[in-house]
Amino acid sequence: EDQVTQSPEALRLQEGESSSLNCSYTVSGLRGLFWYRQDPGKGPEFLFTLYSAGEEKEKERLKATLTKKESFLHITAPKPEDSATYLCAVQSNSGYALNFGKGTSLLVTP
Amino acid sequence: EPEVTQTPSHQVTQMGQEVILRCVPISNHLYFYWYRQILGQKVEFLVSFYNNEISEKSEIFDDQFSVERPDGSNFTLKIRSTKLEDSAMYFCASNRGQETQYFGPGTRLLVL
Repeated sequence: EDQVTQSPEALRLQEGESSSLNCSYTVSGLRGLFWYRQDPGKGPEFLFTLYSAGEEKEKERLKATLTKKESFLHITAPKPEDSATYLCAVQSNSGYALNFGKGTSLLVTP
Repeated sequence: EPEVTQTPSHQVTQMGQEVILRCVPISNHLYFYWYRQILGQKVEFLVSFYNNEISEKSEIFDDQFSVERPDGSNFTLKIRSTKLEDSAMYFCASNRGQETQYFGPGTRLLVL
């Protein structure tokens, strides 16, 4: 059975304090790994898709990387507006359903 | 930028009542999905729909649930007889095929 585990569950950073969020996964065959951002009471907002080990994607202060067992979301010099829950999801070769982790709740304080 | 829309944003219903949640996917998308998120829990897949058929469903999607694309723009999720445990945020998503799913803002369903 596919499993997605995100850590830490919650993270508090000072503005400008860089850090990384982890997503460990087990899947029978990986079609893709997705990162989304979710604000309270809102739907998941797409950030990145990664397809193969070694792949990296960047957008503003965020950078996502992928290995055969885990993905990292690196946040460089975060700002308070980066505060949100970051969700990781995997899609296996057996279908198109996304299997989500529980998310990491990030709070960035001024 | 095109986006997925959902109505209503909030719905309160009595246990045992039927509810229909509505979604308008992005116009050139062909694959449609429903997910739910119980408060404080992870987002869970319910069903995917393509070419007027269910293509994949989870164990959650039992006989109480059904989906329909009644016209060229709407995609609906019906819960026939709601239970307390159906209270959750329900998200619709869509894509053109084998790539990123784009989510709507959700419908918050409260069953009393």
